[in-house]
Amino acid sequence: GAGVSQSPRYKVAKRGQDVALRCDPISGHVSLFWYQQALGQGPEFLTYFQNEAQLDKSGLPSDRFFAERPEGSVSTLKIQRTQQEDSAVYLCASSLGDWAYNEQFFGPGTRLTVL
Amino acid sequence: KQEVTQIPAALSVPEGENLVLNCSFTDSAIYNLQWFRQDPGKGLTSLLLIQSSQREQTSGRLNASLDKSSGRSTLYIAASQPGDSATYLCAVILSNDYKLSFGAGTTVTVRA
Repeated sequence: GAGVSQSPRYKVAKRGQDVALRCDPISGHVSLFWYQQALGQGPEFLTYFQNEAQLDKSGLPSDRFFAERPEGSVSTLKIQRTQQEDSAVYLCASSLGDWAYNEQFFGPGTRLTVL
Repeated sequence: KQEVTQIPAALSVPEGENLVLNCSFTDSAIYNLQWFRQDPGKGLTSLLLIQSSQREQTSGRLNASLDKSSGRSTLYIAASQPGDSATYLCAVILSNDYKLSFGAGTTVTVRA
């Protein structure tokens, strides 16, 4: 596709369930980022991939959060044993290069609601 | 840690008025600054990207200035239209980094 796509667009989970959020970056983009956006706030960095390598996971809030990009393209963000505080919009972004030189392009996000 | 602040948090103007949105950041050692637009339930659309060596960028009715030494950027939107109603976010990348640090945004309403 022409842009970054994410699925599902909306996800409702009961507390304690596991969820998996998918990101399809722009074809050929080396870098992939995950951000978390709480209601009324700006996005906060979660993790960064360069191709299949996860170079930075310093923003992941707990060990319940796990991300992977096994073939350097599609990425999945998994949240285990979801809690109410995990409710947020999860945004994926990709960029062409491997450093700050390149503009980040964002997907539409996945809105996660944990009941 | 880089702190990014946007003032005001919300703004309502009549159609045709010029908009002025402010962004400030605490660490002036930035690589670049981006302004984004976010519509309700949607992702982020990049509006303008200013490299640290630049003072301003322009695109149509939009103009963004950057004063790196004072840690400030301003987004000007000329002759506002109802379609400009959205939340505007600014974000910076530190010189030795790659991730965006965002402000909380300014929500703009343009009244017809």
